[in-house]
Amino acid sequence: AQSVAQPEDQVNVAEGNPLTVKCTYSVSGNPYLFWYVQYPNRGLQFLLKYITGDNLVKGSYGFEAEFNKSQTSFHLKKPSALVSDSALYFCAVRDASGVSYIPTFGRGTSLIVHP
Amino acid sequence: KAGVTQTPRYLIKTRGQQVTLSCSPISGHRSVSWYQQTPGQGLQFLFEYFSETQRNKGNFPGRFSGRQFSNSRSEMNVSTLELGDSALYLCASNSGNNEQFFGPGTRLTVL
Repeated sequence: AQSVAQPEDQVNVAEGNPLTVKCTYSVSGNPYLFWYVQYPNRGLQFLLKYITGDNLVKGSYGFEAEFNKSQTSFHLKKPSALVSDSALYFCAVRDASGVSYIPTFGRGTSLIVHP
Repeated sequence: KAGVTQTPRYLIKTRGQQVTLSCSPISGHRSVSWYQQTPGQGLQFLFEYFSETQRNKGNFPGRFSGRQFSNSRSEMNVSTLELGDSALYLCASNSGNNEQFFGPGTRLTVL
């Protein structure tokens, strides 16, 4: 079975400060990990993914995420937050050795960046 | 390359009615997934179709069904609507590169 947890329903950060949105996962085999962002009244947009290779993954809009196998985490980070980054962020995981091609999504974390 | 199209964008129905939602994936993509998004339950997987065959199914009652056509367009149907079916229904076009491209969703309100 595969599962993902986003322990924070909401993250508040001031514009210009670094931001972190947390994600931990559980899979039987090796994980494929994803981050998506959702703006109001829109579908999800792909940000970045970890499949294999370098543990630090760089994605769209200046976001990056670090894969930590020992802590089973894949936290999303950005060095300097923008007000326009305010949105709902979803982490997702898929078991690389699983039968299903469908990832499991976390419940989402609302990021609010204050001016 | 055109994105994922979902129609209609908004829908209001009453309890007991049925509804059909449509999704056109990105050209060349043969796999389509459907999700239900609600504030309380988050994003829940409904089903996935690949080349007109249902390949995966989530834990939803039989009132929820879907199909995929030869041009990869997909429809989902919900019969005997309940108040709890009010949600944003998202369709994702699945690439072969482990990426999903989501449509804008259909906002269904059941009164």
